[in-house]
Amino acid sequence: NAGVMQNPRHLVRRRGQEARLRCSPMKGHSHVYWYRQLPEEGLKFMVYLQKENIIDESGMPKERFSAEFPKEGPSILRIQQVVRGDSAAYFCASSLTSLGPYEQYFGPGTRLTVT
Amino acid sequence: AQKVTQAQTEISVVEKEDVTLDCVYETRDTTYYLFWYKQPPSGELVFLIRRNSFDEQNEISGRYSWNFQKSTSSFNFTITASQVVDSAVYFCALSEAQGTDKLIFGTGTRLQVFP
Repeated sequence: NAGVMQNPRHLVRRRGQEARLRCSPMKGHSHVYWYRQLPEEGLKFMVYLQKENIIDESGMPKERFSAEFPKEGPSILRIQQVVRGDSAAYFCASSLTSLGPYEQYFGPGTRLTVT
Repeated sequence: AQKVTQAQTEISVVEKEDVTLDCVYETRDTTYYLFWYKQPPSGELVFLIRRNSFDEQNEISGRYSWNFQKSTSSFNFTITASQVVDSAVYFCALSEAQGTDKLIFGTGTRLQVFP
């Protein structure tokens, strides 16, 4: 019974490059959430997706950031033209589809370092 | 607006001491959910508990207990007879029933348990 999987666990990018973070939810879960944790801070909500739909992106920066959750395959958080301020841990969480909120189970996170 | 406050930034105790982590929340909703997560040094987030706003019964799970008081908008977490393995950052979070189930996190309390 695999948990939420995220890859890569660590990602180093130079300023201006693109970062792609992947998240595979737990089996049977069709709700995916992305959160960002800046150093020494709490987690901040970024985006909530269901299969092929973005439900709430109120926490996403307006530029350079995008997310998708296709019918097949993992959810992807994409950051274009990364800057040093994007360095953070990015966590994905998944929950059951139903009346909720159900517990969100978190992946191990991807630690992005922008040099 | 929703808000979660964890006023204790860092707590240090010696093994076997009891310790209480405070959490105060703000919300306009009458129905909401409260959560506690643990983030050990390895970095992943571990779900500990979910409570809904209609259930004010205190809960005990082994050495862990939670005290939910609607009158003071608090959801405090007590670890009895702390152990070194309890050393971690603990996050309290809030989710409103009307909405997208996104979690609003506090800034966390770092607990260090010394042998």
